[in-house]
This record gives sequence, C-alpha cells and structure tokens, in this order.
Amino acid sequence: EAEVAQSPRYKITEKSQAVAFWCDPISGHATLYWYRQILGQGPELLVQFQDESVVDDSQLPKDRFSAERLKGVDSTLKIQPAELGDSAMYLCASSEWTGRSYEQYFGPGTRLTVT
Amino acid sequence: DQQVKQNSPSLSVQEGRISILNCDYTNSMFDYFLWYKKYPAEGPTFLISISSIKDKNEDGRFTVFLNKSAKHLSLHIVPSQPGDSAVYFCAARGGSSNTGKLIFGQGTTLQVKP
Repeated sequence: EAEVAQSPRYKITEKSQAVAFWCDPISGHATLYWYRQILGQGPELLVQFQDESVVDDSQLPKDRFSAERLKGVDSTLKIQPAELGDSAMYLCASSEWTGRSYEQYFGPGTRLTVT
Repeated sequence: DQQVKQNSPSLSVQEGRISILNCDYTNSMFDYFLWYKKYPAEGPTFLISISSIKDKNEDGRFTVFLNKSAKHLSLHIVPSQPGDSAVYFCAARGGSSNTGKLIFGQGTTLQVKP
C-alpha cells in the first residue's frame, strides 16, 4: 500500500538553529499539506500545495518558516531560526481529488524538540 | 476561535461495549466531515467520513452520525476492541475555504479495556 514518507522521524535542535523536514507524498497525489500538531491539540494546517503552487499559507509564520515543492512531487519545510515554541509534531499529508471524497493521507510525522 | 470541538479529552470503555465519540462544530458552511485515528508515534489514519447531505454512514464496526441542526457529529464503534485504543480526531472541510483544507478538533483519547 502506498504511503507518505517523511524524514527525519525525530529531530532535536538548539534554538536559533536551522532545521528542515522532508516529505514524499503518495505517487500521483497533486495536493500536499504540512500540518503542525502540538501535544494535546489537533493538527493545524501550515501550508498547502497544489502541484508546485502554494494555495494556502495563511497560518505559516513566514518570518521563520518556508516551504517548497519545486517539481510538484516531494516537499521541504524549513524553520530558521528555530524557537522553543516550535517543538511539536510536523505532519505531511497528501490527497487526490476523487469526486466528493476529501481524504488526506498522513505520513508518520517528524517530532521536533527545540532546546 | 475553535470551529471544531471535541469536548471530551478521554473516554474509557469495556471491550465489546459501544464507544461513542462526539464532535461539535460552529461553521454551518462545512460540507464534509472525517474521523481519523492516531496511534502514538504515528500519523493520523483515515477512518470514516460523511458528506453534509447525509445523516449516517456505516463501515463495518464504525458508524458516523451527523446532526446538522445541532452542528454535531458522533462516531460509534461497536463492538469496541482493545486495538481501537488510540486518539480520535474529527475534522471538517469547507467553510470559507474551497481548497480542501481540514479543520481538526483537539482529539479524544479512547481506551478500551480487555
């Protein structure tokens, strides 16, 4: 069964350092999402791509976060500089438009700890 | 502003009994609702969904009910099994966004005791 791949699974970094996460969506899925999940809360959308274009980045802290999906396939999310409050699970998801269904398929996530 | 709310942080049920997880929403423009299950150290897994034009959808042991007038949906698991122990998130699509963006609730931790 096809899966969304993410790496690394865990990342520990010091505040003010740069950190990057990678995501490879399910083959053929044109839409890719990056979510942040803080412990005890639900996932919150950071950025959404349709192919290589950003369609929603309204919740992305653009002073320190950036995301790209250059060839419309895999994607990278970067934080520079990292802050203590960025400690969270970063989830990538992908979906395809199938009529009236809107299921998004999630990867295993990257657990980020900022010290 | 929390548009999707799961007011019960946790639920404990006995194996074989029914589990009922609840979710409330505030935006009447939501047109599609989904439930996800999440185990520790894994990403959420899609479980079941329902369109706003329906009031019930069933898939095996899982049934989702939608009450649009009350802006409330619930997930029923019958019979509950120990492997169902996980965090359950409800999510809603639509509102002012037409991009497929999902709004998630805070999650409910279900524990099914053997």
